[in-house]
Amino acid sequence: KAGVTQTPRYLIKTRGQQVTLSCSPISGHRSVSWYQQTPGQGLQFLFEYFSETQRNKGNFPGRFSGRQFSNSRSEMNVSTLELGDSALYLCASRRDRANEKLFFGSGTQLSVL
Amino acid sequence: EDQVTQSPEALRLQEGESSSLNCSYTVSGLRGLFWYRQDPGKGPEFLFTLYSAGEEKEKERLKATLTKKESFLHITAPKPEDSATYLCAVPRGDSSYKLIFGSGTRLLVRP
Repeated sequence: KAGVTQTPRYLIKTRGQQVTLSCSPISGHRSVSWYQQTPGQGLQFLFEYFSETQRNKGNFPGRFSGRQFSNSRSEMNVSTLELGDSALYLCASRRDRANEKLFFGSGTQLSVL
Repeated sequence: EDQVTQSPEALRLQEGESSSLNCSYTVSGLRGLFWYRQDPGKGPEFLFTLYSAGEEKEKERLKATLTKKESFLHITAPKPEDSATYLCAVPRGDSSYKLIFGSGTRLLVRP
């Protein structure tokens, strides 16, 4: 069974640009969550999607957005990039239940210059 | 406020030297506590879920336990391949599905 797949693996952008990250969940998983991981802040929740609807959102500015498609694949977009957006962006999926474990992808390492 | 605190921040052990990692939490209505292992440049890998005080789970050299206020990850006779960052997380106490992660314990096991 294939795991959570994230593309691209690495990305280098400059300030002011925008970026789109992609995530394919485990087959049968309908919930996709996104997390930002930095050395200083650790893992922080961005948002969660279920059946193409955003179910929850973390405390990030509106520059961070996402969407989920009918096949459960998800994309995350960051507009007007800032240096502080440099981080490892992790996608995780689960079938649904709140207390069910998350399966994480390997992440996209974004560097903003 | 829901909170997860892990200690120590970093731990260095000699191969075979057993120890424990701590995860203390503050959340209303615990709906599970999760332990993950993360290797550099990779996403967290699930280890255990604990649901109620007194529960214990084991996997190879790892054993996780849970009380009403904290969880411990015991590492018995560790090997260098156990070197990683260990994260614990709990779902928020509201109706959301957000996981709150601790800052992790970086474990280094030297041969």
